[in-house]
Amino acid sequence: EIVLTQSPGTLSLSPGERATLSCRASQSVNSKLLAWYQKKPGQAPRLLIYGASGRATGIPDRFSGSGSGTDFTLIISRLEPEDFAVYYCQQYGGSLSWTFGQGTRVEI
Amino acid sequence: QVQLVQSGAEVNKPGASVRVSCQAYGYTFTDYYMHWVRQAPGQGLEWMGVINPTGGSTNYAHKFQGRVTMTRDTSTSTVYMELSTLRSEDTAVYYCARSSKTYYFGMDVWGQGTTVTVSS
Repeated sequence: EIVLTQSPGTLSLSPGERATLSCRASQSVNSKLLAWYQKKPGQAPRLLIYGASGRATGIPDRFSGSGSGTDFTLIISRLEPEDFAVYYCQQYGGSLSWTFGQGTRVEI
Repeated sequence: QVQLVQSGAEVNKPGASVRVSCQAYGYTFTDYYMHWVRQAPGQGLEWMGVINPTGGSTNYAHKFQGRVTMTRDTSTSTVYMELSTLRSEDTAVYYCARSSKTYYFGMDVWGQGTTVTVSS
């Protein structure tokens, strides 16, 4: 089973700053099968990025994803107040099996 | 409008079972896998398993094998997740979410979540 490790655990930033979140896989991942989600308290998760770099419908262009192999990155170019949340990477490992990373909290 | 509507909150005793439903609207039910994901208080997202509405085949995360059962009713476009032998650590919000079967675009539509509380 592929393990996804996200870093840092918490990112303390201010509105307008750039956030760089990392997701590292324990073995190589097909980048087409890597997604990122935003999770706020009391809300369902929201798909941000699929295929490592594709923005989901309605996602602002300040969110971008990149990476391949074992290293993937989510960048929020200029933090808006509504972006303070927890972010999860996720991968499809084949054979109908999915895993999430442990999450990165972006806080003010 | 594409949406997933889940059943209401549950309170159950340790050792009991809980069944949560998720009804799909606005799309072809059999074109998408349905997943169950949970989040315990203060914890991260945890993938529990998936069901293919076509045929009903399932795959469960190793942690839940033997305790979780996912089923579907194609006549009502509803999937069910039953978790047995509940313990306090199963207190969580449970979500259903869909993903395309033909190409993985992520889990793009989520239910509103169902809070399950396990308490004596």
